[in-house]
Amino acid sequence: AQTVTQSQPEMSVQEAETVTLSCTYDTSESDYYLFWYKQPPSRQMILVIRQEAYKQQNATENRFSVNFQKAAKSFSLKISDSQLGDAAMYFCAYRRLRGTDKLIFGTGTRLQVFP
Amino acid sequence: DADVTQTPRNRITKTGKRIMLECSQTKGHDRMYWYRQDPGLGLRLIYYSFDVKDINKGEISDGYSVSRQAQAKFSLSLESAIPNQTALYFCATSDSLAGSGQPQHFGDGTRLSIL
Repeated sequence: AQTVTQSQPEMSVQEAETVTLSCTYDTSESDYYLFWYKQPPSRQMILVIRQEAYKQQNATENRFSVNFQKAAKSFSLKISDSQLGDAAMYFCAYRRLRGTDKLIFGTGTRLQVFP
Repeated sequence: DADVTQTPRNRITKTGKRIMLECSQTKGHDRMYWYRQDPGLGLRLIYYSFDVKDINKGEISDGYSVSRQAQAKFSLSLESAIPNQTALYFCATSDSLAGSGQPQHFGDGTRLSIL
Protein backbone atom coordinates (compact mmCIF):
# COMPACT_ATOMS: atom_id res chain seq x y z
CA ALA A 1 0.00 0.00 0.00
CA GLN A 2 1.09 3.51 -0.70
CA THR A 3 1.94 5.86 2.14
CA VAL A 4 2.78 9.55 2.36
CA THR A 5 4.90 11.02 5.15
CA GLN A 6 5.26 14.64 6.17
CA SER A 7 7.81 14.71 8.94
CA GLN A 8 7.49 18.41 9.82
CA PRO A 9 4.32 19.06 11.84
CA GLU A 10 5.11 22.79 11.96
CA MET A 11 7.34 25.19 10.10
CA SER A 12 7.80 28.93 10.26
CA VAL A 13 9.23 31.52 7.91
CA GLN A 14 9.62 35.26 7.79
CA GLU A 15 7.84 37.25 5.19
CA ALA A 16 9.78 37.50 1.91
CA GLU A 17 11.97 34.53 2.83
CA THR A 18 11.97 31.04 1.31
CA VAL A 19 10.77 27.90 3.03
CA THR A 20 10.78 24.24 2.00
CA LEU A 21 8.22 21.70 3.18
CA SER A 22 9.20 18.03 3.02
CA CYS A 23 7.22 15.06 1.79
CA THR A 24 8.27 11.48 1.20
CA TYR A 25 6.15 8.65 -0.07
CA ASP A 26 6.32 4.94 -0.56
CA THR A 27 5.03 3.11 -3.61
CA SER A 28 5.98 0.19 -5.80
CA GLU A 29 4.46 1.82 -8.88
CA SER A 30 6.49 3.69 -11.45
CA ASP A 31 3.83 6.11 -12.67
CA TYR A 32 1.69 8.25 -10.41
CA TYR A 33 0.79 11.83 -9.52
CA LEU A 34 1.77 13.95 -6.57
CA PHE A 35 -0.02 17.03 -5.27
CA TRP A 36 0.37 19.74 -2.72
CA TYR A 37 -2.83 21.15 -1.23
CA LYS A 38 -3.12 24.24 0.96
CA GLN A 39 -5.68 24.53 3.74
CA PRO A 40 -5.95 28.07 5.14
CA PRO A 41 -7.90 28.83 8.33
CA SER A 42 -11.03 29.08 6.19
CA ARG A 43 -10.51 25.26 5.87
CA GLN A 44 -10.86 25.13 2.10
CA MET A 45 -8.62 22.63 0.34
CA ILE A 46 -6.83 24.49 -2.43
CA LEU A 47 -4.62 22.83 -5.01
CA VAL A 48 -1.18 24.41 -5.02
CA ILE A 49 0.79 22.31 -7.48
CA ARG A 50 0.77 18.97 -9.28
CA GLN A 51 3.59 16.74 -10.52
CA GLU A 52 3.42 13.81 -12.90
CA ALA A 53 5.97 11.16 -11.95
CA TYR A 54 6.82 10.44 -15.59
CA LYS A 55 7.96 14.03 -16.07
CA GLN A 56 11.48 14.78 -14.96
CA GLN A 57 10.96 18.52 -14.97
CA ASN A 58 9.93 19.95 -11.62
CA ALA A 59 6.55 21.67 -11.59
CA THR A 60 6.33 25.38 -10.80
CA GLU A 61 3.40 27.71 -10.16
CA ASN A 62 4.47 31.30 -9.60
CA ARG A 63 6.18 31.39 -6.17
CA PHE A 64 5.62 27.67 -5.60
CA SER A 65 7.91 24.99 -6.94
CA VAL A 66 8.69 21.40 -6.16
CA ASN A 67 11.84 19.36 -5.91
CA PHE A 68 10.80 15.94 -7.17
CA GLN A 69 13.35 13.21 -6.56
CA LYS A 70 11.78 10.04 -7.93
CA ALA A 71 14.53 7.64 -6.89
CA ALA A 72 14.47 8.98 -3.35
CA LYS A 73 10.65 9.15 -3.37
CA SER A 74 10.78 12.72 -2.20
CA PHE A 75 8.50 15.59 -3.18
CA SER A 76 9.28 18.83 -1.35
CA LEU A 77 7.49 22.15 -1.82
CA LYS A 78 9.44 25.38 -1.96
CA ILE A 79 7.67 28.66 -1.31
CA SER A 80 9.64 31.70 -2.40
CA ASP A 81 9.05 35.27 -1.26
CA SER A 82 6.70 34.05 1.46
CA GLN A 83 3.61 36.14 2.13
CA LEU A 84 1.34 36.36 5.15
CA GLY A 85 -1.38 34.72 3.08
CA ASP A 86 0.75 31.60 2.71
CA ALA A 87 0.11 30.72 6.35
CA ALA A 88 -1.86 27.49 6.26
CA MET A 89 -1.75 23.72 6.61
CA TYR A 90 -0.07 22.09 3.64
CA PHE A 91 -0.85 18.54 2.64
CA CYS A 92 1.12 16.35 0.31
CA ALA A 93 -0.94 13.75 -1.57
CA TYR A 94 -0.32 10.77 -3.84
CA ARG A 95 -2.52 9.35 -6.59
CA ARG A 96 -2.09 6.30 -8.74
CA LEU A 97 -1.83 6.79 -12.48
CA ARG A 98 -4.41 4.15 -13.31
CA GLY A 99 -7.44 2.74 -11.63
CA THR A 100 -9.07 4.57 -8.78
CA ASP A 101 -7.98 8.20 -8.48
CA LYS A 102 -8.42 8.42 -4.73
CA LEU A 103 -5.85 10.53 -2.94
CA ILE A 104 -3.57 9.36 -0.16
CA PHE A 105 -2.65 12.26 2.08
CA GLY A 106 0.18 12.98 4.43
CA THR A 107 -0.53 14.29 7.91
CA GLY A 108 0.16 17.89 7.00
CA THR A 109 2.60 20.68 7.88
CA ARG A 110 1.38 23.85 9.52
CA LEU A 111 3.22 26.86 8.11
CA GLN A 112 3.41 30.09 10.05
CA VAL A 113 4.55 33.28 8.35
CA PHE A 114 5.94 36.08 10.51
CA PRO A 115 6.08 39.72 9.41
CA ASP B 1 -21.52 30.13 -5.99
CA ALA B 2 -19.31 27.26 -4.90
CA ASP B 3 -18.85 24.42 -7.38
CA VAL B 4 -18.91 21.82 -4.60
CA THR B 5 -21.39 22.64 -1.85
CA GLN B 6 -21.55 20.87 1.49
CA THR B 7 -24.36 21.21 3.98
CA PRO B 8 -24.43 21.84 6.83
CA ARG B 9 -21.24 23.80 7.38
CA ASN B 10 -21.22 22.96 11.06
CA ARG B 11 -23.24 20.51 13.13
CA ILE B 12 -23.33 19.58 16.77
CA THR B 13 -25.29 16.50 17.74
CA LYS B 14 -25.56 13.81 20.37
CA THR B 15 -24.32 10.26 20.54
CA GLY B 16 -26.71 7.80 18.94
CA LYS B 17 -28.33 10.28 16.55
CA ARG B 18 -28.57 9.67 12.82
CA ILE B 19 -26.75 12.32 10.82
CA MET B 20 -26.69 13.05 7.13
CA LEU B 21 -24.11 15.24 5.46
CA GLU B 22 -24.92 16.38 1.97
CA CYS B 23 -22.79 17.27 -1.00
CA SER B 24 -23.85 18.67 -4.33
CA GLN B 25 -21.75 19.81 -7.26
CA THR B 26 -22.27 21.89 -10.37
CA LYS B 27 -19.01 20.89 -12.03
CA GLY B 28 -20.52 18.01 -13.99
CA HIS B 29 -17.94 15.61 -12.61
CA ASP B 30 -18.72 11.91 -12.51
CA ARG B 31 -16.61 10.95 -9.49
CA MET B 32 -17.31 11.95 -5.92
CA TYR B 33 -15.56 11.25 -2.63
CA TRP B 34 -16.01 11.62 1.10
CA TYR B 35 -13.00 12.20 3.36
CA ARG B 36 -12.63 12.90 7.02
CA GLN B 37 -9.88 15.05 8.50
CA ASP B 38 -8.58 14.56 12.02
CA PRO B 39 -5.78 16.55 13.64
CA GLY B 40 -2.46 14.85 13.06
CA LEU B 41 -3.93 12.30 10.68
CA GLY B 42 -4.53 14.23 7.49
CA LEU B 43 -7.48 13.30 5.28
CA ARG B 44 -8.66 9.73 5.00
CA LEU B 45 -11.06 8.31 2.45
CA ILE B 46 -14.42 7.06 3.69
CA TYR B 47 -16.31 6.24 0.47
CA TYR B 48 -16.07 7.04 -3.20
CA SER B 49 -18.38 6.78 -6.18
CA PHE B 50 -17.50 6.65 -9.86
CA ASP B 51 -21.09 7.03 -10.96
CA VAL B 52 -24.60 6.62 -9.60
CA LYS B 53 -24.38 2.82 -9.62
CA ASP B 54 -20.77 2.46 -8.56
CA ILE B 55 -20.02 3.01 -4.87
CA ASN B 56 -16.92 1.79 -3.11
CA LYS B 57 -15.59 1.67 0.41
CA GLY B 58 -12.53 3.63 1.34
CA GLU B 59 -10.09 2.91 4.13
CA ILE B 60 -12.36 3.93 7.02
CA SER B 61 -15.94 3.10 5.99
CA ASP B 62 -17.08 1.39 9.20
CA GLY B 63 -19.91 3.30 10.83
CA TYR B 64 -20.74 5.22 7.66
CA SER B 65 -22.98 4.75 4.65
CA VAL B 66 -23.45 6.77 1.48
CA SER B 67 -26.01 7.40 -1.19
CA ARG B 68 -25.45 8.74 -4.69
CA GLN B 69 -28.85 10.14 -5.46
CA ALA B 70 -27.82 11.66 -8.77
CA GLN B 71 -24.61 12.42 -10.57
CA ALA B 72 -24.49 15.75 -8.77
CA LYS B 73 -25.38 14.57 -5.26
CA PHE B 74 -23.53 12.33 -2.83
CA SER B 75 -24.59 12.12 0.80
CA LEU B 76 -22.83 10.61 3.78
CA SER B 77 -24.77 9.13 6.71
CA LEU B 78 -23.79 8.23 10.22
CA GLU B 79 -26.48 5.80 11.32
CA SER B 80 -25.70 6.07 15.03
CA ALA B 81 -23.16 8.77 15.71
CA ILE B 82 -20.39 8.22 18.25
CA PRO B 83 -17.94 10.76 19.70
CA ASN B 84 -14.91 9.45 17.78
CA GLN B 85 -16.68 10.43 14.57
CA THR B 86 -16.15 14.04 15.54
CA ALA B 87 -14.12 15.42 12.65
CA LEU B 88 -14.03 17.72 9.66
CA TYR B 89 -15.67 16.04 6.66
CA PHE B 90 -14.89 16.88 3.06
CA CYS B 91 -16.64 16.05 -0.15
CA ALA B 92 -14.56 16.11 -3.34
CA THR B 93 -15.19 15.59 -7.04
CA SER B 94 -13.12 14.71 -10.08
CA ASP B 95 -13.72 14.28 -13.78
CA SER B 96 -12.59 10.98 -15.27
CA LEU B 97 -13.20 12.27 -18.78
CA ALA B 98 -10.80 15.18 -18.42
CA GLY B 99 -7.79 12.94 -18.69
CA SER B 100 -5.63 11.34 -16.07
CA GLY B 101 -4.03 13.35 -13.32
CA GLN B 102 -6.89 15.78 -12.90
CA PRO B 103 -6.99 17.10 -9.34
CA GLN B 104 -9.89 16.62 -7.02
CA HIS B 105 -12.00 19.64 -6.17
CA PHE B 106 -13.09 19.99 -2.58
CA GLY B 107 -16.06 21.50 -0.84
CA ASP B 108 -15.60 23.77 2.18
CA GLY B 109 -16.09 20.95 4.66
CA THR B 110 -18.59 20.11 7.37
CA ARG B 111 -17.37 20.33 10.93
CA LEU B 112 -19.22 17.67 12.90
CA SER B 113 -19.12 17.47 16.69
CA ILE B 114 -20.71 14.56 18.50
CA LEU B 115 -21.26 14.97 22.20
